[in-house]
Amino acid sequence: DAKTTQPPSMDCAEGRAANLPCNHSTISGNEYVYWYRQIHSQGPQYIIHGLKNNETNEMASLIITEDRKSSTLILPHATLRDTAVYYCIVRVSQAAGNKLTFGGGTRVLVKP
Amino acid sequence: ETGVTQSPTHLIKTRGQQVTLRCSSQSGHNTVSWYQQALGQGPQFIFQYYREEENGRGNFPPRFSGLQFPNYSSELNVNALELDDSALYLCASSLVGGEQFFGPGTRLTVL
Repeated sequence: DAKTTQPPSMDCAEGRAANLPCNHSTISGNEYVYWYRQIHSQGPQYIIHGLKNNETNEMASLIITEDRKSSTLILPHATLRDTAVYYCIVRVSQAAGNKLTFGGGTRVLVKP
Repeated sequence: ETGVTQSPTHLIKTRGQQVTLRCSSQSGHNTVSWYQQALGQGPQFIFQYYREEENGRGNFPPRFSGLQFPNYSSELNVNALELDDSALYLCASSLVGGEQFFGPGTRLTVL
């Protein structure tokens, strides 16, 4: 699986959009970009994933650059409950035996 | 729909002992993956089970072993516990190749 690079931490104001960057310059054509988050002392929670088109769901939006070497997760209106570690992962989807390779993630602190 | 559950929540063992951790899959999921998360680190993949067979393994020694049962629940067994085995152990269920949904984890402390 391709390696990802994320900033170790970032702060965000409550109610504002949080933009979380991720670099994955060695991504292969069949690898998807996945985002998970982990709130303190809980298991990771799936947020969103995409291949090359931008994606949106009820939690977040995922913007992938045209060359697919980087992406941004957008939390449109951050709340205090969005304080968590956010992991950007690239993996081949729909493959048996496929694991998630977690890096260090970005520790996001949403401040009132 | 029932989510992924794990038991026990917390566990304390001493070096050299053996431990068994349990995981119940989310309804309809046939694949279970186990991860180890040391304090301050991201989760590390241990292995995955599909149709009761190991279906991928990370860089963990053979004293880490597992089982999957016909109802897709799973066990993680660790023999000859070492201090460095102290961690949060996470179980995730999915359909094969699909998004993984995690349980709350079991916190293991080895003294």
